[in-house]
Amino acid sequence: DIQMTQSPSSLSASVGDRVTITCRASQSISSYLNWYQQKPGKAPKLLIYAASSLQSGVPSRFSGSGSGTDFTLTISSLQPEDFATYYCQQSYSTPGFTFGPGTKVDIK
Amino acid sequence: EVQLVESGGGLVQPGGSLRLSCAASGFTFSSYAMHWVRQAPGKGLEYVSAISSNGGSTYYANSVKGRFTISRDNSKNTLYLQMGSLRAEDMAVYYCARENYYDSSGYYLYYFDYWGQGTLVTVSS
Repeated sequence: DIQMTQSPSSLSASVGDRVTITCRASQSISSYLNWYQQKPGKAPKLLIYAASSLQSGVPSRFSGSGSGTDFTLTISSLQPEDFATYYCQQSYSTPGFTFGPGTKVDIK
Repeated sequence: EVQLVESGGGLVQPGGSLRLSCAASGFTFSSYAMHWVRQAPGKGLEYVSAISSNGGSTYYANSVKGRFTISRDNSKNTLYLQMGSLRAEDMAVYYCARENYYDSSGYYLYYFDYWGQGTLVTVSS
């Protein structure tokens, strides 16, 4: 099974900060990597698919990069509505699309 | 508008059974593979099960294999998860999700573009 790790597990940031979250796969997954945002009590929301493609309707301050085993989600200028937990997901090992453990972004 | 609405959650005793439903609307349900993902209280997302668009293929995480059964009724636009031999560790919010894909020169990169609001399963005596 492909294992996913994320770092950091949590971070504190201020509005306007540039935030970077890292996701690592236990083996190469090419660009089969997605990012989701989840707010408390809500369902996850797709932000980025195929490592770097922005989902329709998602603000352009979100971007994704990477391939192989190392991936990054970047929020260029953190907004109040971005405080949430972020999960990566691999879709290389179909159909068992495992998730990373999550990164919680909260207010500094 | 795409909508996924889960139902069927509730309180069940350890060893008991429960059937979850996910009613889909706003898209051609029979054209999409569907998935179940769960989230224990205060924990991360855990992948549970998948079913192909025609129901012919299914997949289960090791944690639920042999105890859960995924199915679908394309005539009713509904996805199901039959859960049996429930344990305390099965307690979670269960989400259904629609699978979509990005065609990258013949390589299909999959993702979940729509999710339901979730239904809570509580396992307790």
